[in-house]
Amino acid sequence: AQSVTQLGSHVSVSEGALVLLRCNYSSSVPPYLFWYVQYPNQGLQLLLKYTSAATLVKGINGFEAEFKKSETSFHLTKPSAHMSDAAEYFCAVSPPLGGGADGLTFGKGTHLIIQP
Amino acid sequence: DAGVIQSPRHEVTEMGQEVTLRCKPISGHNSLFWYRQTMMRGLELLIYFNNNVPIDDSGMPEDRFSAKMPNASFSTLKIQPSEPRDSAVYFCASLSYNEQFFGPGTRLTVL
Repeated sequence: AQSVTQLGSHVSVSEGALVLLRCNYSSSVPPYLFWYVQYPNQGLQLLLKYTSAATLVKGINGFEAEFKKSETSFHLTKPSAHMSDAAEYFCAVSPPLGGGADGLTFGKGTHLIIQP
Repeated sequence: DAGVIQSPRHEVTEMGQEVTLRCKPISGHNSLFWYRQTMMRGLELLIYFNNNVPIDDSGMPEDRFSAKMPNASFSTLKIQPSEPRDSAVYFCASLSYNEQFFGPGTRLTVL
């Protein structure tokens, strides 16, 4: 069975500071990994995904994540936070054998707060 | 494309009533997923379909929950009878090239 752990239910950073949201996974084989963002009262939007190609993945809105197999991690970063980045962020995994067509297992989410 | 469409956006009902949530996936997407989001349990996969066929319904909490996908452009999630603990946001998503596209969700409140 797969699982995802997101460290820190709330993360607060100043506008312009580095954003780092942590995600660790547990899986018998390297899974597909995803980061989604959810704004209030909206659905989830994909930020980026890792599907066994390049380990450093660039996504939308200036976010990127690096897959580290040795650390079973897929942390999300952004060099400079913007007020519009305030939202809930979810890390998710999917078994690779299904080509990503299996359901996603989500972490509990991290609420990102941007201080002016 | 209009994206994944869900209706209704909000539903308030009384305990014991039947509730039907609806989803229209993005045209051409062959897989459809139903998720539930609550404060206590986070986002959970309930069931998913591939080419209109249910593949895994192990996440459906009880027999009170049922889902159907009669054709490629429509799916329903039904709760009968509903209970207060079913209050949650229910999301539908459809899949293209490893990416799941989520609808805006249906916020269900069972009184």
